[in-house]
Amino acid sequence: QQQVKQSPQSLIVQKGGISIINCAYENTAFDYFPWYQQFPGKGPALLIAIRPDVSEKKEGRFTISFNKSAKQFSLHIMDSQPGDSATYFCAASRQAAGNKLTFGGGTRVLVKP
Amino acid sequence: NAGVTQTPKFRILKIGQSMTLQCAQDMNHNYMYWYRQDPGMGLKLIYYSVGAGITDKGEVPNGYNVSRSTTEDFPLRLELAAPSQTSVYFCASSSLSDGTQYFGPGTRLTVL
Repeated sequence: QQQVKQSPQSLIVQKGGISIINCAYENTAFDYFPWYQQFPGKGPALLIAIRPDVSEKKEGRFTISFNKSAKQFSLHIMDSQPGDSATYFCAASRQAAGNKLTFGGGTRVLVKP
Repeated sequence: NAGVTQTPKFRILKIGQSMTLQCAQDMNHNYMYWYRQDPGMGLKLIYYSVGAGITDKGEVPNGYNVSRSTTEDFPLRLELAAPSQTSVYFCASSSLSDGTQYFGPGTRLTVL
């Protein structure tokens, strides 16, 4: 059972453009929604995260939008740069259940110069 | 701080062999996790631990075993390796109060 669905699988954007990645979850008990960035040959690294008591969180060029009623959240990368080319994973967890992460399938982003 | 370290980086096993993937963290985190990542896929949880002496199964535990005798170390044991266990294995840790998981660099395992 895939509890976190992520789309699109891949994305090509021009330098300076906006990258948008969407995720939908099923388990309403999730209370922590992080996005991880992974470069080839490396482990995932936390990019930005949100809890369901807020609808938006911004850190630099990265913004999470969260819609609790629709059980959806998305990552927006503004002014995309070639260095942002990586695979992005959304995830969800419940603190009371040991913070175990359930990952989406990933989105490979390529930013063309 | 070294963060989360994993050894080895690469390993090739023959079908039926066994091995232990090592994971250590120096952040005094209570929670530790093992994930596997198949090509082009997201990560799936194999086992996790909420503290020394306490472990529990994740989504895909079959064919694996873990132990947690210290806060720092969380080894993953593969018994009777099978080609389906060819994957990249990531160890991670997090604190009690913060959901952020810190990942190691991974172990790329091939079973032939």
